Amino acid sequence: GQNIDQPTEMTATEGAIVQINCTYQTSGFNGLFWYQQHAGEAPTFLSYNVLDGLEEKGRFSSFLSRSKGYSYLLLKELQMKDSASYLCAVMDSNYQLIWGAGTKLIIKP
Amino acid sequence: DVKVTQSSRYLVKRTGEKVFLECVQDMDHENMFWYRQDPGLGLRLIYFSYDVKMKEKGDIPEGYSVSREKKERFSLILESASTNQTSMYLCASSLGQEYQPQHFGDGTRLSIL
Repeated sequence: GQNIDQPTEMTATEGAIVQINCTYQTSGFNGLFWYQQHAGEAPTFLSYNVLDGLEEKGRFSSFLSRSKGYSYLLLKELQMKDSASYLCAVMDSNYQLIWGAGTKLIIKP
Repeated sequence: DVKVTQSSRYLVKRTGEKVFLECVQDMDHENMFWYRQDPGLGLRLIYFSYDVKMKEKGDIPEGYSVSREKKERFSLILESASTNQTSMYLCASSLGQEYQPQHFGDGTRLSIL
């Protein structure tokens, strides 16, 4: 079966760095997406990786290793507004998105 | 900016009712999707559409149907609502290419009593 695993909840301190991991087992791979979802709001697109390596976008970076079925989202200089759920999704061989359950990130002052 | 608008943020209906959830996007996207989101589970795809009057079943289509008569509008229909359909429903749209991200509406929190 297809499976996306990510931690249920993480806690970090304002100003610090946090890494949210995502491992996947899917039938085929056509890219991995990260989304941010604040409570009661729509998911919003953060990043897309299809090749191995690190993609940096301001305070947020996303890494992919296709051979290991692994990705992480790195958030630097954490701000209180980064408190949200972070969703990992993999596009399979049928170009359908398989979603993880999301990681709730709690930022403490 | 892409705007995906869902007709209601909150909706309460009774068991057995026929329920319509509406979604409209303003960016001429080819693809539209309906998901449900439940605590502890990832988003689950109900139905999707790659073109007008075209629809495909997702992972959990049972008890639902859809309609896409115009490119910008994608409707989700609960034929006879049941309590296990109480959930958050999210509509999304994307451009035709596979690597394009999906853009989501704010969701409809539906309660079936």
